[in-house]
Amino acid sequence: AQTVTQSQPEMSVQEAETVTLSCTYDTSESDYYLFWYKQPPSRQMILVIRQEAYKQQNATENRFSVNFQKAAKSFSLKISDSQLGDAAMYFCAYSKGGSEKLVFGKGTKLTVNP
Amino acid sequence: DAGVTQSPTHLIKTRGQQVTLRCSPKSGHDTVSWYQQALGQGPQFIFQYYEEEERQRGNFPDRFSGHQFPNYSSELNVNALLLGDSALYLCASSLAVPGGDTQYFGPGTRLTVL
Repeated sequence: AQTVTQSQPEMSVQEAETVTLSCTYDTSESDYYLFWYKQPPSRQMILVIRQEAYKQQNATENRFSVNFQKAAKSFSLKISDSQLGDAAMYFCAYSKGGSEKLVFGKGTKLTVNP
Repeated sequence: DAGVTQSPTHLIKTRGQQVTLRCSPKSGHDTVSWYQQALGQGPQFIFQYYEEEERQRGNFPDRFSGHQFPNYSSELNVNALLLGDSALYLCASSLAVPGGDTQYFGPGTRLTVL
């Protein structure tokens, strides 16, 4: 069974600084998808970024980028120029295919200090 | 473009009762997945509906059942409620296309079982 591990229960960053959230996963599949979702206190789970395993190029979305290391089964999220609105729970998730079930990690709580 | 909607927002029930939660998918989406998120945890997959059929199911007892309607909206039913069923229930919608697609989440229903 696929598993997702987030080893950092909590992280903090100063506003305008850069922070990296870690995620490792376990799968025997060669094709799959990885996601980072953000869940602010409002509860709504918001997609931050998505990576297809067959693509070697790391995905980027504005201030958010990933470091995808397929052989190491590692998928970290880098947030640059952190803003107060980035404060939230961040979940790493795995899927065999985009509409297949998502397997989530336990999350990392990110605090952004002014 | 309406996103995923869920009702009700909050619900309080007592042990042994039954509950029905509702979800309307994002416009154009045909697949609905349900997740249970206990406090401080990542979401756990309950089941997924496509073309009015249950397509995948997670490790949840038969007390959890669902339905999808011709307009793609969905219901989650839980019978014989237990205290441990208290959680945030998230609905996600996606489009079943080759190569997969991303799941978009609704705001969730907070269920409290007393």
